[in-house]
Amino acid sequence: GENVEQHPSTLSVQEGDSAVIKCTYSDSASNYFPWYKQELGKGPQLIIDIRSNVGEKKDQRIAVTLNKTAKHFSLHITETQPEDSAVYFCAASFYNQGGKLIFGQGTELSVKP
Amino acid sequence: SAVISQKPSRDICQRGTSLTIQCQVDSQVTMMFWYRQQPGQSLTLIATANQGSEATYESGFVIDKFPISRPNLTFSTLTVSNMSPEDSSIYLCSVEESQALFGPGTRLTVL
Repeated sequence: GENVEQHPSTLSVQEGDSAVIKCTYSDSASNYFPWYKQELGKGPQLIIDIRSNVGEKKDQRIAVTLNKTAKHFSLHITETQPEDSAVYFCAASFYNQGGKLIFGQGTELSVKP
Repeated sequence: SAVISQKPSRDICQRGTSLTIQCQVDSQVTMMFWYRQQPGQSLTLIATANQGSEATYESGFVIDKFPISRPNLTFSTLTVSNMSPEDSSIYLCSVEESQALFGPGTRLTVL
């Protein structure tokens, strides 16, 4: 079955710097890769997702890149702000099987003002 | 995109009791799922809630412990049965249409 590895587990950056979180997956059949932000006491919030027919997707300060050959995908946050501080999770699934998201271990991002 | 609500948002329960968690979606969705997030951990899929039929459970999860109902395309319940402190977790409802979205979660503490 699918296995997702996420690095780093913790990341501390200065406000205004960029942050990059990386994930690798094992099942080449996976074709849907969402990223979630989870603040303390809240459910995961979808911030961006990418499908396997696309190599890169951007939404304002957030971007995701996908390398299908190497089976890894990354989240890029530019111009970080203190409110970006949260736990970020990557996930992978074979979409047509109806979800069954397999999650990475999470990255605790701290943005210092 | 769909809006998902869960009840209760949190609860503290005694060991040996059961708790039923409700998930309500503001639109009809085909796929609904239940996940568990243990303290400080990532999310793990418990089961797929199938409308009109028995839920499909992942390895390590059984119907007797986590019975699930899905009476229609907007509602599902998850029951955590015969609870022990190890069941203390956040339980999350998820739906998938064009995107995979999560509810706010139910934070369960078992004493």
